[in-house]
Amino acid sequence: RKEVEQDPGPFNVPEGATVAFNCTYSNSASQSFFWYRQDCRKEPKLLMSVYSSGNEDGRFTAQLNRASQYISLLIRDSKLSDSATYLCVVTTSGTYKYIFGTGTRLKVLA
Amino acid sequence: DTGVSQDPRHKITKRGQNVTFRCDPISEHNRLYWYRQTLGQGPEFLTYFQNEAQLEKSRLLSDRFSAERPKGSFSTLEIQRTEQGDSAMYLCASSLVRDGEKLFFGSGTQLSVL
Repeated sequence: RKEVEQDPGPFNVPEGATVAFNCTYSNSASQSFFWYRQDCRKEPKLLMSVYSSGNEDGRFTAQLNRASQYISLLIRDSKLSDSATYLCVVTTSGTYKYIFGTGTRLKVLA
Repeated sequence: DTGVSQDPRHKITKRGQNVTFRCDPISEHNRLYWYRQTLGQGPEFLTYFQNEAQLEKSRLLSDRFSAERPKGSFSTLEIQRTEQGDSAMYLCASSLVRDGEKLFFGSGTQLSVL
């Protein structure tokens, strides 16, 4: 079983739609959680950290469910520019090794 | 530009040759990471350094791979006797311990082994 699992998609949604991605992690000792965004042929860039209390940044909301070991990313009012791959990232207590999921591809359609 | 810098951007080599990549992290960053990414996959952890100490190395990394960070600044990743399966994007990232653990990536080195 992979340490971090994501639905690879693609998720094809119309502009203005709300879309949500989930990511599950297998290690209950996982400590820090992030969403990164990767555009085609570019390097990953931090989108947002995920806190236990959940957090919101504009149209983006991230939540953590430790009991079920998953994190989620919600994007409201999707824009064409949101088209990218969204990578779920987890670190484990005692190590600073960042484990990436496969990524979920999002295509926002005009 | 004060971001993470990687060199070269592209490398084409023949099977069996050795290759070396360089990464210059953001200057004050004390952690440096190497990842490998193939098409349709997320970045796969290879190794990381804190200052000049290599703290962890992936079990997936064969003996043909070696990384160094001699003075705690730039790092090199060497692949000996390259195989076609080594073809991938090699990404370097750095972070500052006190900066919320955010990773900053370089643009990567695309390796093609013929």
